[in-house]
Amino acid sequence: GNSVTQMEGPVTLSEEAFLTINCTYTATGYPSLFWYVQYPGEGLQLLLKATKADDKGSNKGFEATYRKETTSFHLEKGSVQVSDSAVYFCALSDPMSGGSNYKLTFGKGTLLTVNP
Amino acid sequence: EADIYQTPRYLVIGTGKKITLECSQTMGHDKMYWYQQDPGMELHLIHYSYGVNSTEKGDLSSESTVSRIRTEHFPLTLESARPSHTSQYLCASSERPGDGYTFGSGTRLTVV
Repeated sequence: GNSVTQMEGPVTLSEEAFLTINCTYTATGYPSLFWYVQYPGEGLQLLLKATKADDKGSNKGFEATYRKETTSFHLEKGSVQVSDSAVYFCALSDPMSGGSNYKLTFGKGTLLTVNP
Repeated sequence: EADIYQTPRYLVIGTGKKITLECSQTMGHDKMYWYQQDPGMELHLIHYSYGVNSTEKGDLSSESTVSRIRTEHFPLTLESARPSHTSQYLCASSERPGDGYTFGSGTRLTVV
């Protein structure tokens, strides 16, 4: 079956530090990959996505590249801010698994805290 | 801007009460989902729907029930709330696999 493994947290960084949150996956078919962000007290928001190998998703200074050869989709940001403190979820959607139900498979989430 | 709405945002209720958590979306999406999120952050799919009159149980067994009488509306009901139901409940919808989900802001339920 499908699975997503992401870096266990919590991750604590100082403002302007470089961020990497690792994400690897297993899938039956050729999945689409996503990063979601959840700010305190809120639902999840789509941060970025990639639908095919070597695609780079980017948004708000965050980037992730779909690496089929290493089955990875690591999230990076060059200089984090206090406002980036949140929980980050890696997820995949595999059209080969489960037919048309479009269910996402989520990682367990990584809590990021950025200190001033 | 939120195109999927959950009410209430917060609910504190006594044991044994019946509750309904509301979820509505204005995007015309066929697929809708309910997740339970534990304090450790992990998301557990408890119900989903492919469209009107379609409902399925998710990966985590839940005592809640859902209905889908209209495309835009996917309420979740607990007939008799218990402290073990205390959690955050997130509703989501989707149209195409490559688009991912759109989530509501969630309902934080506390059963005392």
